[in-house]
Amino acid sequence: GQNIDQPTEMTATEGAIVQINCTYQTSGFNGLFWYQQHAGEAPTFLSYNVLDGLEEKGRFSSFLSRSKGYSYLLLKELQMKDSASYLCAVGHSGGYQKVTFGTGTKLQVIP
Amino acid sequence: GAVVSQHPSRVICKSGTSVKIECRSLDFQATTMFWYRQFPKQSLMLMATSNEGSKATYEQGVEKDKFLINHASLTLSTLTVTSAHPEDSSFYICSARDGLASLEYFGPGTRLTVT
Repeated sequence: GQNIDQPTEMTATEGAIVQINCTYQTSGFNGLFWYQQHAGEAPTFLSYNVLDGLEEKGRFSSFLSRSKGYSYLLLKELQMKDSASYLCAVGHSGGYQKVTFGTGTKLQVIP
Repeated sequence: GAVVSQHPSRVICKSGTSVKIECRSLDFQATTMFWYRQFPKQSLMLMATSNEGSKATYEQGVEKDKFLINHASLTLSTLTVTSAHPEDSSFYICSARDGLASLEYFGPGTRLTVT
């Protein structure tokens, strides 16, 4: 099966940098996704890593180490609107590709 | 980016009735669509995978006779919650996979309340 761990909650200050970690165990690994989900809304796609290394996209960056089963999402220059849950999700194959979501990290940005 | 719509966005129904939720990919063809359920403060749980032209694949513990899925075309999948009960109240989210990529695009979700 799949096992995904990420912190439940984090708090950070507006303008600062925050790193949200995710560790996973899976068979048939086929990429790692990060999604942002505001309360009461559906998730929105942030990033996708399939190879080791850092992917940068504006204020958001995502890192993957497949050998360590580890990823992080880095948010820079935090804004109040970044307060949301951040979901780590692992793609894995098993007949067809599926995505399993972690429980999410609720980030609160404070002034 | 790709757009997926869901209808209705909110629905309230009485216990014992059935509710149909539609999921449409608006600007791409989705050979595979997924149905998730999310309870408050929990993560998304995959219910079933909907493949165009074939029967849906349900996850363990999801009753296929209760949650009917029809993927009639490359742009439309429907989820019907039959004989709904209050415990079926949840946030139902669909996603569609762009066949050219591995990305899933989520619909805005449907909040179902069964009274």
